[in-house]
Amino acid sequence: EPEVTQTPSHQVTQMGQEVILRCVPISNHLYFYWYRQILGQKVEFLVSFYNNEISEKSEIFDDQFSVERPDGSNFTLKIRSTKLEDSAMYFCASSAERGSPGANVLTFGAGSRLTVL
Amino acid sequence: SQKIEQNSEALNIQEGKTATLTCNYTNYSPAYLQWYRQDPGRGPVFLLLIRENEKEKRKERLKVTFDTTLKQSLFHITASQPADSATYLCAPSGFQKLVFGTGTRLLVSP
Repeated sequence: EPEVTQTPSHQVTQMGQEVILRCVPISNHLYFYWYRQILGQKVEFLVSFYNNEISEKSEIFDDQFSVERPDGSNFTLKIRSTKLEDSAMYFCASSAERGSPGANVLTFGAGSRLTVL
Repeated sequence: SQKIEQNSEALNIQEGKTATLTCNYTNYSPAYLQWYRQDPGRGPVFLLLIRENEKEKRKERLKVTFDTTLKQSLFHITASQPADSATYLCAPSGFQKLVFGTGTRLLVSP
């Protein structure tokens, strides 16, 4: 069963530091996403990415956040200057091309827990 | 603005009974609706997708209904088992972005 892998599984950082969370989506998927979940709260959409550009982003995804697909396999989320309220679980997801089997269905990774001190 | 409502209170049921979870949405005209399962500390896992022109969909012990007039989906688990205990998320969708409801926690007691 193909899976989305995320690293690191847990990262602790000091407020104001930059953090990069990494994801390897399913190899033949073309749509990539980042979501976050603050402890005890709902899973919130951050950003979607297709054809090497952001296709949609939420109001949470401000100038402190950026995404990149630096090569053919990785998809990264960078937080430039972390704040306490950035502490959350960050999930990467991917989905197949429109019109293909399983299109519109998201496959999620296991998540990266970010703790900002 | 778009709103997705799921019962925030946990649903407690006895093993073997049918669990029914509700998802209501407003200011949406989704082309389809998805249900996911989330276990503590893990990412959501896809369960079922139902399209706007489908009234009902089944997969093993799972059944989903979709009423676009009421703007509601019902998710049923028949013959529930303790292993079904998890949080269930609904996501009415139409385009790329998948937005989740708050989820309903299901607890199945032996």
